[in-house]
Amino acid sequence: GAGVSQSPSNKVTEKGKDVELRCDPISGHTALYWYRQSLGQGLEFLIYFQGNSAPDKSGLPSDRFSAERTGGSVSTLTIQRTQQEDSAVYLCASRPIAGVFTFGPGTRLTVL
Amino acid sequence: QQQVKQSPQSLIVQKGGISIINCAYENTAFDYFPWYQQFPGKGPALLIAIRPDVSEKKEGRFTISFNKSAKQFSLHIMDSQPGDSATYFCAARGGGSNYKLTFGKGTLLTVNP
Repeated sequence: GAGVSQSPSNKVTEKGKDVELRCDPISGHTALYWYRQSLGQGLEFLIYFQGNSAPDKSGLPSDRFSAERTGGSVSTLTIQRTQQEDSAVYLCASRPIAGVFTFGPGTRLTVL
Repeated sequence: QQQVKQSPQSLIVQKGGISIINCAYENTAFDYFPWYQQFPGKGPALLIAIRPDVSEKKEGRFTISFNKSAKQFSLHIMDSQPGDSATYFCAARGGGSNYKLTFGKGTLLTVNP
């Protein structure tokens, strides 16, 4: 496809359950980012993958959050033991070398 | 510590008016300042961007003004249209090999017909 795709578009889960969110970046984009968008809070950086380098995990809010990027392409963000404060829109973006960010449509996560 | 401060939180403008959104930053290492536009249910999309060696950049009805000494930059939307109603985010990119974007909290713009 032409853009960044994310799945699912919406996810409702119960407190304490684990969730996996998927991001398919634009083909050839070497960098991939995860951001979280909470109501009225802007976009909060979570994690950044660049090629084969070690990921920058400095934005992950707790050890319940983890992410991986397989084969330099698809990425999965995993949230273990979800809490109500994890409810937000999770946005993925990809970028070519020295290029601009392209965001996906996001996954809206609701934790009941 | 909020590194990019954006104001106002919300803005209502009449069709044909000028919309102005302001941002201030703290980190002098930032080297690229984009603005993003987000419609409901969509991801943010790049609108216009500027580098700190330029004081102004214009693309159609959208202009960024940049004041390096004051560490401030602003987005001006001329002849605002109802279709411009969206949330606008300013951002700043870390310098050197740091390609993370730090975002402001956003401004909800409503343009009344």
